[in-house]
Amino acid sequence: DAGVIQSPRHEVTEMGQEVTLRCKPISGHNSLFWYRQTMMRGLELLIYFNNNVPIDDSGMPEDRFSAKMPNASFSTLKIQPSEPRDSAVYFCASSLGHPVGQYFGPGTRLLVL
Amino acid sequence: AQKITQTQPGMFVQEKEAVTLDCTYDTSDQSYGLFWYKQPSSGEMIFLIYQGSYDEQNATEGRYSLNFQKARKSANLVISASQLGDSAMYFCAIHQGGSEKLVFGKGMKLTVNP
Repeated sequence: DAGVIQSPRHEVTEMGQEVTLRCKPISGHNSLFWYRQTMMRGLELLIYFNNNVPIDDSGMPEDRFSAKMPNASFSTLKIQPSEPRDSAVYFCASSLGHPVGQYFGPGTRLLVL
Repeated sequence: AQKITQTQPGMFVQEKEAVTLDCTYDTSDQSYGLFWYKQPSSGEMIFLIYQGSYDEQNATEGRYSLNFQKARKSANLVISASQLGDSAMYFCAIHQGGSEKLVFGKGMKLTVNP
């Protein structure tokens, strides 16, 4: 079975540009998570959805960040406008609705110049 | 608020030896769960083991076991018979009962020497 799929795997952009990260969860999983990992802040949860509904977005840093889950098989994390401090690895994860078995995607490495 | 503390920035161990990775946590919840994830240099996050706060037995998964001491609020990971492939970053995490939100520690780097 395919795991969590993220695209792109690497993204280099210039400050001020819009960035869209994409995630396809494992089929049948009903919870989806977006994490950000940096050296300074470690791994932190940005937002998570259950049955396509945002449940906790307290980790979203500011209004420049937005996330959507239009259906059970697709989610996006958008940064507009991007800033150098957004440079990080962004992980998407999915689960069957219980923390055990939260499977991570390979991550998107974002560099904002 | 929940918090995970991993104070060991890095550890070295000889191949085939056992190693303990420390994790302490802080929570006011009665129901919670503790996790360990492995992140090799390739970057992916790999789930290793889970311990629920009401589980009476320490969790085990192959060479991994979790030394859960509830009164001391510690959940140390024990890796038996270390292998070169165990070299990686290791993260401890906690979730509150009723929520899927995971709070991660800063992680620690394990290096297994031949």
